[in-house]
Amino acid sequence: NAGVTQTPKFQVLKTGQSMTLQCAQDMNHEYMSWYRQDPGMGLRLIHYSVGAGITDQGEVPNGYNVSRSTTEDFPLRLLSAAPSQTSVYFCASSYSSPPGHYGYTFGSGTRLTVV
Amino acid sequence: SQQGEEDPQALSIQEGENATMNCSYKTSINNLQWYRQNSGRGLVHLILIRSNEREKHSGRLRVTLDTSKKSSSLLITASRAADTASYFCATDAGWETSGSRLTFGEGTQLTVNP
Repeated sequence: NAGVTQTPKFQVLKTGQSMTLQCAQDMNHEYMSWYRQDPGMGLRLIHYSVGAGITDQGEVPNGYNVSRSTTEDFPLRLLSAAPSQTSVYFCASSYSSPPGHYGYTFGSGTRLTVV
Repeated sequence: SQQGEEDPQALSIQEGENATMNCSYKTSINNLQWYRQNSGRGLVHLILIRSNEREKHSGRLRVTLDTSKKSSSLLITASRAADTASYFCATDAGWETSGSRLTFGEGTQLTVNP
C-alpha cells in the first residue's frame, strides 16, 4: 500500500549510542519532515526537506542530522543519544509545500527509549 | 513554542452528540489543518482550510477559520464511539519558497461514550 513507512517501530538505545530512523514514501512526494511527539508538548518539527538535496532545520534540530539523497527516503540520524531524546518520532510527507487538499501523510511512528 | 492551542484539553460526550474543539494561534498562516490520532497510532489528516477560506465541510466534519481572531473550530456532528481519539490543529506558515513548517497544538482528547 502506498504511504509513509517508518522503521523500526520500537528501539531502545543506551546513552551515547547512535542510530538512524528510516523513513520512506512511495507517493513521489517532494516534501518530507520529521517530528517528535512528547506528552504535553504536542508535535515539534525537527528537520524538513522540500526536495532531494535540500534540507532545513525545524524547531528542535539539536542532536539530529538528516539528508535527502533521493525523493523517496529521508533518514533521521541521532548522533549521540541522550535520555531527552526519548520520544515518539513521526515522519510526514506531502506532494507540495504548502500541501494541497490532502494535507500531510504521516507514518505510524518510531517509539524510541534512551536509557 | 507551540503556535496552536486547543481547547478543551479533554472532552467527553455521548454517542450522537456533537463535539466542538477550538484552536487558537499567534502568527499569520498559509493554512490550518486538523488531524486525528488514535491511541498509539500515527496522525491522520482530516481537513485543511486555507487562510482565505472561512468554512469547510467534509462529511460529519465542519471547520471554521477566523483569521482576525486567529482561531479555528472543528465540529464533529452525530459523534460515534469510533471518533474517540486525540484531535490536533496544526498551523502552516510556510510558503512555496520556504517550505512548510507545521506547528501543532497539544491536542484535545475526545471520548465518545456508547
